[in-house]
Amino acid sequence: AQTVTQSQPEMSVQEAETVTLSCTYDTSESDYYLFWYKQPPSRQMILVIRQEAYKQQNATENRFSVNFQKAAKSFSLKISDSQLGDAAMYFCAYTGTASKLTFGTGTRLQVTL
Amino acid sequence: DTGVSQDPRHKITKRGQNVTFRCDPISEHNRLYWYRQTLGQGPEFLTYFQNEAQLEKSRLLSNRFSAERPKGSFSTLEIQRTEQGDSAMYLCASSPLKGGRYTEAFFGQGTRLTVV
Repeated sequence: AQTVTQSQPEMSVQEAETVTLSCTYDTSESDYYLFWYKQPPSRQMILVIRQEAYKQQNATENRFSVNFQKAAKSFSLKISDSQLGDAAMYFCAYTGTASKLTFGTGTRLQVTL
Repeated sequence: DTGVSQDPRHKITKRGQNVTFRCDPISEHNRLYWYRQTLGQGPEFLTYFQNEAQLEKSRLLSNRFSAERPKGSFSTLEIQRTEQGDSAMYLCASSPLKGGRYTEAFFGQGTRLTVV
């Protein structure tokens, strides 16, 4: 069974600074996708960024980028130029051949002035 | 495209009562998923449909839970004889087929169930 681990329950970053959220996963599959989802308080979960396992190039979406280390089974999220609106729960998630998502326990990101 | 819609947003029920939640996926999304999220945890998979066929159910889905997706459009999740442990956020998501794979899930705002 696949597992996703987020070891940082909470992180804090100052506005305009950079923060990195960690995620590790375990799988025996070779073909899979990894995601970071953002869940603001009382709001729906939205996709931040996704990475296809067969692509060596790290995905980037504006201020969000990932560091995908396939051999180490690590998938961290870097948020640059942090904004107050980035404050939320961030979930790392995995999907493979089963097509369902397996989530980590989440990291609560606080953004301070 | 109005996104994934869930109804109701909040439900408070007494223990032992039955409840039913509805999910309207994004139109033309073949796959529809139900997840459950408890406080401080990530969502956990419950079940999913491809069109009207229920293809997988988690062990978490006890026999008090039943889900349907008639005609492959909206879906309902019913919980019979609710227990306090059923209190959670129930999330619905839908996925389009892209490049032969279902990889990206779009979530609704969820239904928060409180069993008292």
